[in-house]
Amino acid sequence: GAVVSQHPSWVICKSGTSVKIECRSLDFQATTMFWYRQFPKQSLMLMATSNEGSKATYEQGVEKDKFLINHASLTLSTLTVTSAHPEDSSFYICSARDRHRGWGEKLFFGSGTQLSVL
Amino acid sequence: SQQGEEDPQALSIQEGENATMNCSYKTSINNLQWYRQNSGRGLVHLILIRSNEREKHSGRLRVTLDTSKKSSSLLITASRAADTASYFCATDSLGETSGSRLTFGEGTQLTVNP
Repeated sequence: GAVVSQHPSWVICKSGTSVKIECRSLDFQATTMFWYRQFPKQSLMLMATSNEGSKATYEQGVEKDKFLINHASLTLSTLTVTSAHPEDSSFYICSARDRHRGWGEKLFFGSGTQLSVL
Repeated sequence: SQQGEEDPQALSIQEGENATMNCSYKTSINNLQWYRQNSGRGLVHLILIRSNEREKHSGRLRVTLDTSKKSSSLLITASRAADTASYFCATDSLGETSGSRLTFGEGTQLTVNP
């Protein structure tokens, strides 16, 4: 099956520092990756859609200068939380769509990253 | 607006019983998908039902879709303690700028007691 690897699983950082989260599709090519944020016992909120080789599309209310997304290859997308603050503490999850499946198909999810900003 | 409102928010049953979760949505969809999430983990795809389908089965899972009522249900039969997890419905509809994407419901926390 398709595997999406997300690292790190958890990270604790000081306020003001930047944190990079990686999302890799291990056995398939993903033209599109999605980044979500999830608060405890709540649903997933789509932050941005990341397309290989082009700029990410951010959802309304998501600061693109704060949440930097890079999708440099068909197997890797990164989310960098810049100048992190305690309110950025959350569970971040990436997902990828297999390019050969096209639109309208299921997503493959990473295992998530728990970010705690002190 | 929030797609995919689910009920109940929480469901607690005994092993062997059936569990039914419902999902309602607001806009037209291409398909509806159900995912499972164990605590602190990513989501795992369970089943996808297309807008022209009414019912689908996969193992102990049965999904129905009523596009006239904009609702779906997920039935887990003969539940097991290992089924304990959060279950989310997700609607796939065409977006304006980013193409097709999933919008997740609020989820149902299922607890299956041994």
